[in-house]
Amino acid sequence: EDQVTQSPEALRLQEGESSSLNCSYTVSGLRGLFWYRQDPGKGPEFLFTLYSAGEEKEKERLKATLTKKESFLHITAPKPEDSATYLCAVQVAENTGNQFYFGTGTSLTVIP
Amino acid sequence: DTEVTQTPKHLVMGMTNKKSLKCEQHMGHRAMYWYKQKAKKPPELMFVYSYEKLSINESVPSRFSPECPNSSLLNLHLHALQPEDSALYLCASSLIISYNEQFFGPGTRLTVL
Repeated sequence: EDQVTQSPEALRLQEGESSSLNCSYTVSGLRGLFWYRQDPGKGPEFLFTLYSAGEEKEKERLKATLTKKESFLHITAPKPEDSATYLCAVQVAENTGNQFYFGTGTSLTVIP
Repeated sequence: DTEVTQTPKHLVMGMTNKKSLKCEQHMGHRAMYWYKQKAKKPPELMFVYSYEKLSINESVPSRFSPECPNSSLLNLHLHALQPEDSALYLCASSLIISYNEQFFGPGTRLTVL
């Protein structure tokens, strides 16, 4: 069964304290892995797409990496405005077509 | 225009009401999606439309009825809902259904009394 697991569930960081969020997946036929940021009561905001192991993408203080079993979202010197829930999602090819599965998310709080 | 819009933002309805949620995008995307998200949970895929045809229907109860009138619009018709259907309903779109990031709307917060 396809699964996407994110850890930790919640993370509190001091402003400037770098850390990483993890997204591990057990799927067959991975077509893409996506990172989103979601603020309370709003729709997810797209951050990155990764397609193959070894790929890296960067945007401001965020850097996403992908291996064959997991992806990391590195946050360098975070600021309070980085506080949000970070979701990863995988796209897989199944008999019913392209399926999308979201992980349960990591709730990040950055303290000034 | 790089936005997905959803109306209404909030909806309160009784179990016998009929209502509709609307979603619109003008990015030329040919795939559109409906998700349901409960509090502190990830979005759950409900329906996928590709080129205005229903592509994926995730065993959603028939009280939810999607409609895609054209490539820019996606509706979700609601009838005889239950209180447990209260959630944030998200619409998303992507260029095509394969290997593409999805862009989400702000959602409709639905409360069923």
